[in-house]
Amino acid sequence: GAGVSQSPSNKVTEKGKDVELRCDPISGHTALYWYRQSLGQGLEFLIYFQGNSAPDKSGLPSDRFSAERTGGSVSTLTIQRTQQEDSAVYLCASSRVRTGELFFGEGSRLTVL
Amino acid sequence: QQQVKQSPQSLIVQKGGISIINCAYENTAFDYFPWYQQFPGKGPALLIAIRPDVSEKKEGRFTISFNKSAKQFSLHIMDSQPGDSATYFCAVGSSGGYNKLIFGAGTRLAVHP
Repeated sequence: GAGVSQSPSNKVTEKGKDVELRCDPISGHTALYWYRQSLGQGLEFLIYFQGNSAPDKSGLPSDRFSAERTGGSVSTLTIQRTQQEDSAVYLCASSRVRTGELFFGEGSRLTVL
Repeated sequence: QQQVKQSPQSLIVQKGGISIINCAYENTAFDYFPWYQQFPGKGPALLIAIRPDVSEKKEGRFTISFNKSAKQFSLHIMDSQPGDSATYFCAVGSSGGYNKLIFGAGTRLAVHP
């Protein structure tokens, strides 16, 4: 497919477990973003990657959250010691630099029991 | 601090009517104002966007009106259709550097036949 791909689409985990969410951006897009969407809420910025520059981590809510992007393509968002308040849809988006348009994946729905 | 305030939270419109959603922002450094449309289970997708050098932009039934002095912009959907039923997000961004977008809380629109 030509769109942003995210996996898993759904993840149910127990409180205290670690989870990894994966994002495969559109080929040729150098910018990659993670947003979080809680039930009925807006889109909360988490982290941004652009090429080889240092990522903008200003939106990460705590040190339990981390993300990496390997080879300028695939990204993994890791949440350690998950809490119930981490339950949300995690959305990944990619873009060409400076076009303004973000292309979103369908998200990974995380439920922490 | 909420950088972009969106209203209303939800909106019900009859088929053929006009849907109006408003957003207000604080930081005058923002110079990119997009609207995204999200259907259930899908990621948001760019609907229409405006930059502050114009006061209005129209694409089909969708129009953005921009008031720079009031720091407000709005989305108008003319001849609203049931297929327009979705959640709409306004966003603000700055072209200086990269495309980090800050989103509003969203408006859930229902168009009744």
